[in-house]
Amino acid sequence: GAGVSQSPRYKVAKRGQDVALRCDPISGHVSLFWYQQALGQGPEFLTYFQNEAQLDKSGLPSDRFFAERPEGSVSTLKIQRTQQEDSAVYLCASTKGLDNEKLFFGSGTQLSVL
Amino acid sequence: SQQGEEDPQALSIQEGENATMNCSYKTSINNLQWYRQNSGRGLVHLILIRSNEREKHSGRLRVTLDTSKKSSSLLITASRAADTASYFCATDPKEGGSQGNLIFGKGTKLSVKP
Repeated sequence: GAGVSQSPRYKVAKRGQDVALRCDPISGHVSLFWYQQALGQGPEFLTYFQNEAQLDKSGLPSDRFFAERPEGSVSTLKIQRTQQEDSAVYLCASTKGLDNEKLFFGSGTQLSVL
Repeated sequence: SQQGEEDPQALSIQEGENATMNCSYKTSINNLQWYRQNSGRGLVHLILIRSNEREKHSGRLRVTLDTSKKSSSLLITASRAADTASYFCATDPKEGGSQGNLIFGKGTKLSVKP
C-alpha cells in the first residue's frame, strides 16, 4: 500500500478484555516499530522487528503485551487482560532499511479501556 | 522514559512569522530527527541531522545541533496556518538501546493564526 495502515482506528475495550491491534507496513519495509503515545505526550518505544525477528522488546510495559510479525510483513500487537492504564494511541512505523532513520508512521489505533 | 524535552510546550504565532522550537536531550546520540504530528494523525518525518553536523536546511525548515550543549533547534520560517501541529524531536542514542529505540520528547504544540 501507499502508507502504513493500522486497524482498527478506534477500539473500546472493557477492563479485562484481550485486544489485537494490526499494522500493515509499507510493502518491502524491513523494519517495523510499535510505539505507545499517551495523551499530550510523545511516543514511547514498545518493540522493534527486523523482518520476522523481534530484536528489541524492552519497551513492552508488562507480560500482558505481546507483539509478533510471523511472515516479516503484517504485525499484531496483542494486549491481554487490558487495564485502564493501557488507554493510549498505539502507533506503528516502518522503515525500508535496517536503521531507524526516517520512520513512516501509521495513523494509530486509539485504545480506550473502560 | 523520554530523553528529549521540547521547549516551549506551546507556541502561538501569526501567519508569516517565524517559529523556533528547542529540544534538549541527555545522552550522546548518533542522530536527531524532527517529526510533525497533526491532531489525530501519525507522525511525519521532517528532517534528520547527524551528530557530526551543526546545521541543516530543508525548504522553510532550519535545524541546528549543538552536541556540547545536547540541544537542537527547529526554525520554521514564514509560517503558514497549515504548519499548525505538534512537533517532536527524536534521538537515536549511541549507547543503551537497539537500533529501534528512537526516544521522543514531549513535543511543542504550534498554533499559527491566519
